[in-house]
Amino acid sequence: DAKTTQPNSMESNEEEPVHLPCNHSTISGTDYIHWYRQLPSQGPEYVIHGLTSNVNNRMASLAIAEDRKSSTLILHRATLRDAAVYYCIPKPPGAGSYQLTFGKGTKLSVIP
Amino acid sequence: GAGVSQSPSNKVTEKGKDVELRCDPISGHTALYWYRQSLGQGLEFLIYFQGNSAPDKSGLPSDRFSAERTGGSVSTLTIQRTQQEDSAVYLCASSLQPGGEQYFGPGTRLTVT
Repeated sequence: DAKTTQPNSMESNEEEPVHLPCNHSTISGTDYIHWYRQLPSQGPEYVIHGLTSNVNNRMASLAIAEDRKSSTLILHRATLRDAAVYYCIPKPPGAGSYQLTFGKGTKLSVIP
Repeated sequence: GAGVSQSPSNKVTEKGKDVELRCDPISGHTALYWYRQSLGQGLEFLIYFQGNSAPDKSGLPSDRFSAERTGGSVSTLTIQRTQQEDSAVYLCASSLQPGGEQYFGPGTRLTVT
């Protein structure tokens, strides 16, 4: 599995954009980059995933570096509900790769 | 629609007792996963079920842990002769297809006294 490095914690003011970085320099060419988050006292929830191109959905955007050794999860306007631990998880595609390997993640605090 | 549900939400048990934790996956999801999260630790994979295939039990920490999935739906994780180090939040997830986006339940917090 590719090793990931994320900041232990970050802070953001409410309604401001947040950029959450992840380094995954040992990622293989076919690994997708998945992001999950875990709100306090809840199970993790899927946020977004991508391979090479930048991706957008209703929750966030994912910017992937051209060399794929890093990526950034972008929350366009942080809300109090976005306070959570965010996990970056490289994972091979396909049915044979089903296990999610969670690291320590980044704990995001949102300041009202 | 209904998400993944788990019961009980909290369980306190005495050391040496057996416990059963239940998971109801999202209807139609063929894949089911169990993870556990110890205090201050990341999530640790335990076991994976897919359809009628033999489960992947590679993450189970000891032979005191077992799990089954009946009828391709509900799953039960059983811990025999519980130890204090078994105290953790046990999380269940399901996905529509193997390797797909995983939907997690709220977890069962197990405390072994």
